[in-house]
Amino acid sequence: AQKVTQAQTEISVVEKEDVTLDCVYETRDTTYYLFWYKQPPSGELVFLIRRNSFDEQNEISGRYSWNFQKSTSSFNFTITASQVVDSAVYFCALLNQAGTALIFGKGTTLSVSS
Amino acid sequence: DGGITQSPKYLFRKEGQNVTLSCEQNLNHDAMYWYRQDPGQGLRLIYYSQIVNDFQKGDIAEGYSVSREKKESFPLTVTSAQKNPTAFYLCASSIRWASGDITDTQYFGPGTRLTVL
Repeated sequence: AQKVTQAQTEISVVEKEDVTLDCVYETRDTTYYLFWYKQPPSGELVFLIRRNSFDEQNEISGRYSWNFQKSTSSFNFTITASQVVDSAVYFCALLNQAGTALIFGKGTTLSVSS
Repeated sequence: DGGITQSPKYLFRKEGQNVTLSCEQNLNHDAMYWYRQDPGQGLRLIYYSQIVNDFQKGDIAEGYSVSREKKESFPLTVTSAQKNPTAFYLCASSIRWASGDITDTQYFGPGTRLTVL
């Protein structure tokens, strides 16, 4: 069975703080794909990143960075110097090897106050 | 601009009525998807379509129906058989289905919030 766990239901930080959103996944596939999406209050899911299981390089995009560790089945997302506009629900998702099922975690609600 | 549009943004339904949610994309994507989101939950797949004139049931297809007569359109009908239809419905599309590369990355529309009165 495949599963994505986002243990942090809600996180509150003050602007300029760094924050890490945790994602732990379960799969028996040897090849799989991991994603992060952002859902602002407007409701639309915005694609942030896709990662292949065979590429464990960390990635940085501006204030966003992702840490992928196969040994702990984790794909954590860090926002550096958070801003109010980062307030949203963030979803981690897993796509199976066959590409037939995208499994979402329950999401982490991030609130950034000024 | 290219993108995915969903209409209406808000929809109210009386019990026993069927309603249809619209999803249109002008991205020339082959695959389209419908998800349901309940408060505090992740997304669950209702139906997907790999290509025009084809569609398959997802995890929670009971009480829903779809059609894919045109590449750009994938409407979802919520029937009276759906026991608890109040939810946020999201449509998505990808260039290809199950390609194993970046072309199967799903992009989402703005959603429709359905409330049963």
